[in-house]
Amino acid sequence: TQLLEQSPQFLSIQEGENLTVYCNSSSVFSSLQWYRQEPGEGPVLLVTVVTGGEVKKLKRLTFQFGDARKDSSLHITAAQPGDTGLYLCAGGRNSGGYQKVTFGTGTKLQVIP
Amino acid sequence: EADIYQTPRYLVIGTGKKITLECSQTMGHDKMYWYQQDPGMELHLIHYSYGVNSTEKGDLSSESTVSRIRTEHFPLTLESARPSHTSQYLCASSESIGLAGLLSYNEQFFGPGTRLTVL
Repeated sequence: TQLLEQSPQFLSIQEGENLTVYCNSSSVFSSLQWYRQEPGEGPVLLVTVVTGGEVKKLKRLTFQFGDARKDSSLHITAAQPGDTGLYLCAGGRNSGGYQKVTFGTGTKLQVIP
Repeated sequence: EADIYQTPRYLVIGTGKKITLECSQTMGHDKMYWYQQDPGMELHLIHYSYGVNSTEKGDLSSESTVSRIRTEHFPLTLESARPSHTSQYLCASSESIGLAGLLSYNEQFFGPGTRLTVL
């Protein structure tokens, strides 16, 4: 059973357009991270959100954690070709004294110049 | 910038060979992980370690084995490679960041990956 579903799975847009990627779960997470991965490389951490309703901005990227800490969204304003990549959300839950991290299904973004 | 390294970056081998994928980190992180990922797809956790001499199997069953003799080193071994093992293997390490009370969260730092092809 996949705990973290991302949508859309694929997204191809023109440079300058806005987009939103969603990360949804039926489980509550104590933290939620977003990563971006370029082909042939490992994922790179973009942001961590920990409080329900929290909003963080990183230049043209806006991240939101749902009030119930079950979902998150990533909004990109005026997308650029450099934003192309695989976006992964990852939810953390405390279990038995350790934090267990589950990665989402991924959203592959292509920004066309 | 994270200091986590994987070697080799690319490996093409024949069926039945024994291989070891190396992963090292210089950040002193206790927790380390191995993920398997097909191109552009989700990550599947195959092994993790919470410290020296601690190893656990992940969510995805794997024929590989790992060891953690030193904090900075977490190698993954396949005794007899098969074409079904062809994939990208990603190593990561993390530190716990404390929140109020007993809560904490991990931020994982990934290596560049090893692209394994078994013929």
